[in-house]
Amino acid sequence: NAGVTQTPKFQVLKTGQSMTLQCAQDMNHEYMSWYRQDPGMGLRLIHYSVGAGITDQGEVPNGYNVSRSTTEDFPLRLLSAAPSQTSVYFCASSYSRSGSPTDTQYFGPGTRLTVL
Amino acid sequence: AQSVTQLGSHVSVSEGALVLLRCNYSSSVPPYLFWYVQYPNQGLQLLLKYTSAATLVKGINGFEAEFKKSETSFHLTKPSAHMSDAAEYFCAVSDGGAGNMLTFGGGTRLMVKP
Repeated sequence: NAGVTQTPKFQVLKTGQSMTLQCAQDMNHEYMSWYRQDPGMGLRLIHYSVGAGITDQGEVPNGYNVSRSTTEDFPLRLLSAAPSQTSVYFCASSYSRSGSPTDTQYFGPGTRLTVL
Repeated sequence: AQSVTQLGSHVSVSEGALVLLRCNYSSSVPPYLFWYVQYPNQGLQLLLKYTSAATLVKGINGFEAEFKKSETSFHLTKPSAHMSDAAEYFCAVSDGGAGNMLTFGGGTRLMVKP
């Protein structure tokens, strides 16, 4: 298993540009999520999904869109990038649809995004 | 609402010394608690988790943590530091609600001196 994969690893955008961060997992996990990591703030949840066709907002959803058309993929879209979105983005997945806290969450390697 | 505070953004120990990384939480319901480790340029890896079973939890790489409800703490320890332990460590809490949302602390960077 490749686990959780993310592309690209690095990206530089100009303010106002759009892009999609890709996340895929091959573990047949129902639950997937996106976090952003900023210095001194730990990781904060952006959006999550408990299964194909079902998404919900996390702690910091503004400026981001998600969709879940398949179990494997959970892309994160920035429609109009802003410098405040400069961060490292992590995708995570875990087994159960209910997102049980007893399930281990597996994290991808991250995407480092800079918005100029 | 839940929150996590990690005391000390940087901790430095000598190789072979005790490692103690502090984590305090607040939660309105019995919490689930986690420690993750992040090596440079990598994603997060689960070290250990507390899910209301034994209060002393053993994890990978010789780490363990003790859940103390009266102190709302979940400190991470390792008896003897190794150079390979140098990394950033994150404490996280979940209230078990919908979405399995993890609330993370700000992280503690552990440095190990030879």
